[in-house]
Amino acid sequence: EAGVTQSPTHLIKTRGQQATLRCSPISGHTSVYWYQQALGLGLQFLLWYDEGEERNRGNFPPRFSGRQFPNYSSELNVNALELEDSALYLCASSSLTPYEQYFGPGTRLTVT
Amino acid sequence: ELKVEQNPLFLSMQEGKNYTIYCNYSTTSDRLYWYRQDPGKSLESLFVLLSNGAVKQEGRLMASLDTKARLSTLHITAAVHDLSATYFCAVVLYGGATNKLIFGTGTLLAVQP
Repeated sequence: EAGVTQSPTHLIKTRGQQATLRCSPISGHTSVYWYQQALGLGLQFLLWYDEGEERNRGNFPPRFSGRQFPNYSSELNVNALELEDSALYLCASSSLTPYEQYFGPGTRLTVT
Repeated sequence: ELKVEQNPLFLSMQEGKNYTIYCNYSTTSDRLYWYRQDPGKSLESLFVLLSNGAVKQEGRLMASLDTKARLSTLHITAAVHDLSATYFCAVVLYGGATNKLIFGTGTLLAVQP
């Protein structure tokens, strides 16, 4: 069974640009979660999508947004990039029961 | 708001020694997860603890959950270098349609030969 996949692996952008990160969940999982892990910080919850709808959002500004497609894959968009957006972005998927989240390999975003 | 605290934040131990990582959380939850993260890598699921008194073991790692005390422990027996990684606990915050997983701060484990 294929795991959660993310693309790209690395992404380098300059301040003010937009970044798009992609995630494909495990087959059969309808929920996709996005987390930010900045250097020296823990995992910060960003967004949760389920059945195409945004279900919950962490304490991040509106320039962090995303969507979930009918095939349950998801996209995270970060507009007006700032230096502090440099981080490892992790995507996870789960079925609603038993709720365990499985993580993808991550996208390393570097903003210069 | 649910807070999840781990201690210690950093643990340096010698091979062959035993030690315990603690995970405390601030509100009621009956579902706790332990993950491992190697440097620059993603998170690997280690244990899922679903009820009070749950105990799970895999190799040199054993995890337990006490929901009354809001405490989980990850015990390391006879540590080996391969166990060096960051370990996270995570607790489900129930909110109806807005369930989310709250992660602890992480414990960086360095096993020295």
